[in-house]
Amino acid sequence: GAVVSQHPSRVICKSGTSVKIECRSLDFQATTMFWYRQFPKKSLMLMATSNEGSKATYEQGVEKDKFLINHASLTLSTLTVTSAHPEDSSFYICSARDAGGPPNEQFFGPGTRLTVL
Amino acid sequence: AQSVTQLGSHVSVSEGALVLLRCNYSSSVPPYLFWYVQYPNQGLQLLLKYTTGATLVKGINGFEAEFKKSETSFHLTKPSAHMSDAAEYFCAVSSDSGNTPLVFGKGTRLSVIA
Repeated sequence: GAVVSQHPSRVICKSGTSVKIECRSLDFQATTMFWYRQFPKKSLMLMATSNEGSKATYEQGVEKDKFLINHASLTLSTLTVTSAHPEDSSFYICSARDAGGPPNEQFFGPGTRLTVL
Repeated sequence: AQSVTQLGSHVSVSEGALVLLRCNYSSSVPPYLFWYVQYPNQGLQLLLKYTTGATLVKGINGFEAEFKKSETSFHLTKPSAHMSDAAEYFCAVSSDSGNTPLVFGKGTRLSVIA
């Protein structure tokens, strides 16, 4: 079946540093990937939609200069949290849509736990 | 616009008892409906989905859900709960138009008591 990986699974960083999270579709091509943020015991909040070869579409209230998204290939999207602060600590989950698969079925990565000290 | 309401942030059942997790949706277009399960510190795993066709959908781990358009509902059920079913469950809605993202409910945490 379709597999999506995320790297790293867990990262701890100091305030002010930047952190890059990778999302890869391992056995399918993903023209579209989605980035979600999940606070403790809360639902998933869509941050942005990442389209291969074009600029990401950000949801209202999400700072595009703070959360940089790059989707340079059909199997890789990256989320960079720039100048991270403690309030950016969260669980970040990506999902990918198989370009040749069923409509609107998304495959989720295992998530990345970011802790900013 | 689409939205999902999950009634009950926490449901507790005894092992062997019926599991019923409620989901109501709002959609101005024909909905695609999904149930996902999330174990602690993990991503989401698809349990089942409804797109078109048969309204009773069977998924993995013995779960099933029924799409009821008249009630705008997509409740998740399992006849007999297992301890391993304890997790967070999310209902989500989408549509068939292109790259529509999923809209999630707030989730229901299922506890199973021995």
